[in-house]
Amino acid sequence: DAKTTQPPSMDCAEGRAANLPCNHSTISGNEYVYWYRQIHSQGPQYIIHGLKNNETNEMASLIITEDRKSSTLILPHATLRDTAVYYCIVRVRNNFNKFYFGSGTKLNVKP
Amino acid sequence: EAQVTQNPRYLITVTGKKLTVTCSQNMNHEYMSWYRQDPGLGLRQIYYSMNVEVTDKGDVPEGYKVSRKEKRNFPLILESPSPNQTSLYFCASSLRGNSPLHFGNGTRLTVT
Repeated sequence: DAKTTQPPSMDCAEGRAANLPCNHSTISGNEYVYWYRQIHSQGPQYIIHGLKNNETNEMASLIITEDRKSSTLILPHATLRDTAVYYCIVRVRNNFNKFYFGSGTKLNVKP
Repeated sequence: EAQVTQNPRYLITVTGKKLTVTCSQNMNHEYMSWYRQDPGLGLRQIYYSMNVEVTDKGDVPEGYKVSRKEKRNFPLILESPSPNQTSLYFCASSLRGNSPLHFGNGTRLTVT
């Protein structure tokens, strides 16, 4: 599975949109982009995933570039409870055994 | 409520004393997996199971055992714990490979 590169930390003002980038330049055609987050030392929480089209759910939006080499997770109205480490992962669909979490981005939402 | 339940949440033990961390899911998921999380190393997979009686090694399986005798349970066994197994452990499950992982709340293990 391809590896990902994320900035180690980002700040965001409460109520503003948080845009978290992820680089996955070696992604292959059958690899999906997944986003998870981890609040303190709780279990990681699934946010969203996509293959090539932009995706939106009740938590966030995922924008994938046309060449699929990078993506952006958007939290439209960040709250203090969104402070967490966000992980971008690429993974082959139905590949059970590989799920590299990497170091993620620590998002600090500030009042 | 759909969930992955790990027990115990905290465990302090001594070197060499066998222990088991239990993991149970109530979502009829086929796939289950164990991870450990250490500062600076992220989440690393220990073992995974694609279904009952089917298990395989992840990236860091040394010193651990698992079993999958029932679909809902996937215990992690440390036959002879050592201090380098001090870590935060997570169990996770998913319906199938194309489904998101659901994680438990973690077990913080300290081996002295």
